[in-house]
Amino acid sequence: ETGVTQTPRHLVMGMTNKKSLKCEQHLGHNAMYWYKQSAKKPLELMFVYSLEERVENNSVPSRFSPECPNSSHLFLHLHTLQPEDSALYLCASSQGGGGTGGDTQYFGPGTRLTVL
Amino acid sequence: GESVGLHLPTLSVQEGDNSIINCAYSNSASDYFIWYKQESGKGPQFIIDIRSNMDKRQGQRVTVLLNKTVKHLSLQIAATQPGDSAVYFCAENIGGSYIPTFGRGTSLIVHP
Repeated sequence: ETGVTQTPRHLVMGMTNKKSLKCEQHLGHNAMYWYKQSAKKPLELMFVYSLEERVENNSVPSRFSPECPNSSHLFLHLHTLQPEDSALYLCASSQGGGGTGGDTQYFGPGTRLTVL
Repeated sequence: GESVGLHLPTLSVQEGDNSIINCAYSNSASDYFIWYKQESGKGPQFIIDIRSNMDKRQGQRVTVLLNKTVKHLSLQIAATQPGDSAVYFCAENIGGSYIPTFGRGTSLIVHP
């Protein structure tokens, strides 16, 4: 157990559906992240929140909408997705704001998303 | 383009052998490096890290070597076990940033 949980673990949805992925961290961290992991590709950073403020948004399509209501919870709202959005979506947390550089990330188990 | 990459996408070894996984990085401003292990069905997990003021760091059965001259990072696993089978990622942090850049990953397969 890494202290980061994600639900659901598996999700199948149609292109017209709306669903949400949930992440919760129990580590007292200040930063939370969403990554997309597709086969044979590096981890793609989607969003970063630090102290509940979004600090990075890597040109992610608007059909993905993050929400960070507090420093322990992070959501990824999904709507009108495409089949190419099928992937493993990983949440991570870290201390954040590393002035000296270097910050270990703790990952959840991921949500395996399939878009039909 | 990517600043972090791996030389070998797949590495097969026999149980008991030592494994070496390599990683190249291109940003000379990177000052913190981490190795992660991702087992099937799980998220990446921290293995070991090293800062740019060090050349070598040892953990339990793992050693990370950093060669800043050629911008190369390696992970050595001693006496590799079947439980070490996983995908290994290196990641770099650039000068004070807490947001890492990940490499593509190397799949390590350990044969009993």
